Amino acid sequence: EVQLLESGGGLVQPGGSLRLSCVASGFTFSDYAMRWVRQTPGKGLEWVSSITNTPSGFKTYYPDSVKGRFTISRDNSKNTVYLQMNSLRGEDTAVYYCAKGTLGLPIFEYWGQGTLVTVSS
Amino acid sequence: EIVLTQSPGTLSLSPGERATLSCRASQSVSNNYLAWYQQKPGQAPRLLIYGASSRATAIPDRFSGSGSGTDFTLTISRPEPEDFAVYYCQQYGSSPLTFGGGTKVEIK
Repeated sequence: EVQLLESGGGLVQPGGSLRLSCVASGFTFSDYAMRWVRQTPGKGLEWVSSITNTPSGFKTYYPDSVKGRFTISRDNSKNTVYLQMNSLRGEDTAVYYCAKGTLGLPIFEYWGQGTLVTVSS
Repeated sequence: EIVLTQSPGTLSLSPGERATLSCRASQSVSNNYLAWYQQKPGQAPRLLIYGASSRATAIPDRFSGSGSGTDFTLTISRPEPEDFAVYYCQQYGSSPLTFGGGTKVEIK
């Protein structure tokens, strides 16, 4: 059974940093690209980042809204994907999900339960 | 960036009454790379459809997807009580990946 377990969310002040983790199980982690998606009541679902599984060197992708502030990484030895979030803003407040695709496509077949990040003073 | 507009915002139905949800893209979705998700309160989204019309694993055949280019449809042929939820479309034909704003399907 595929399981994704996020952690690391919490309350942080504007301008602060937070690192999210997602531990995966139930599949061969190193074979799959991994992604983060966030959800807010106001803006709905928003893709946040992706990291490939290419053994020669992981490639990362971001939308403009987080580029330069967020960094996705992975540790295949720990079956874990990370999201380092810096220079946080109020609009980054959301539930953050990690997700696994299927068929090599950037769709989201399996999701974690989500972790809440609140950016507020 | 491809903007996805879903309509209606809310769909009120009686159980068993056919549901038709629309997702319109601001430009053509490459390879019809369009997915649909279902989300219930307090849960993560669940993949229903990918490639515009292919059902994901274990998705009942009362869910079907159709469309191409800029206009896509999710149909629930005979909604069961557990199908009342929010539905999102997502395009993955170009970067950035984007989602629609959702359609809430509620019991009339």
